[in-house]
Amino acid sequence: EDKVVQSPLSLVVHEGDTVTLNCSYEVTNFRSLLWYKQEKKAPTFLFMLTSSGIEKKSGRLSSILDKKELSSILNITATQTGDSAIYLCAVAMNYGGSQGNLIFGKGTKLSVKP
Amino acid sequence: DTGVSQNPRHKITKRGQNVTFRCDPISEHNRLYWYRQTLGQGPEFLTYFQNEAQLEKSRLLSDRFSAERPKGSFSTLEIQRTEQGDSAMYLCASSSPGHHSPLHFGNGTRLTVT
Repeated sequence: EDKVVQSPLSLVVHEGDTVTLNCSYEVTNFRSLLWYKQEKKAPTFLFMLTSSGIEKKSGRLSSILDKKELSSILNITATQTGDSAIYLCAVAMNYGGSQGNLIFGKGTKLSVKP
Repeated sequence: DTGVSQNPRHKITKRGQNVTFRCDPISEHNRLYWYRQTLGQGPEFLTYFQNEAQLEKSRLLSDRFSAERPKGSFSTLEIQRTEQGDSAMYLCASSSPGHHSPLHFGNGTRLTVT
């Protein structure tokens, strides 16, 4: 059965800390791995990773994929209270030409305390 | 705002009633997806449209659920004879053509079945 596992499920840090969120997957016919941030409602897109070892970066957030280990990490440096959210990892498979049948993990709930 | 729009935002209904939700995707996106999310879980794929054609359906989509996208623009998701287990957030997403186009999600419709 295809699955995506995220760890930890929840994390509490203080402003300024650096955090690393983990995502591992077991899927058939992998296409890409995506990270989303979900605050109160809509998941918002952060990164899409298709190639191993190439870091994607956006401000204080960065992510990298390891296809050999079937995993990805999302790093957030110098955390701020606005980073508090659920971070979702999802994997897309090569199925029917669509990117849409994403398999999501349960998410990591990050709480950043002032 | 040209993001994905969903209506209504909240719906409370009694068990056994029918409900219908609407999704308006980003205008240039030809792909549209429905997901369901319950508390503490990541979104689960329900169905996918490319233009007006429904190309994928999850086995989660029982025969009480039907989705349409008649003109390849907005979509509706109908649930007939609702059950308490249908209570969830129903998320719509859209994406543009292309092999690696990420999904952009709407704010969802929260359904409560009493």
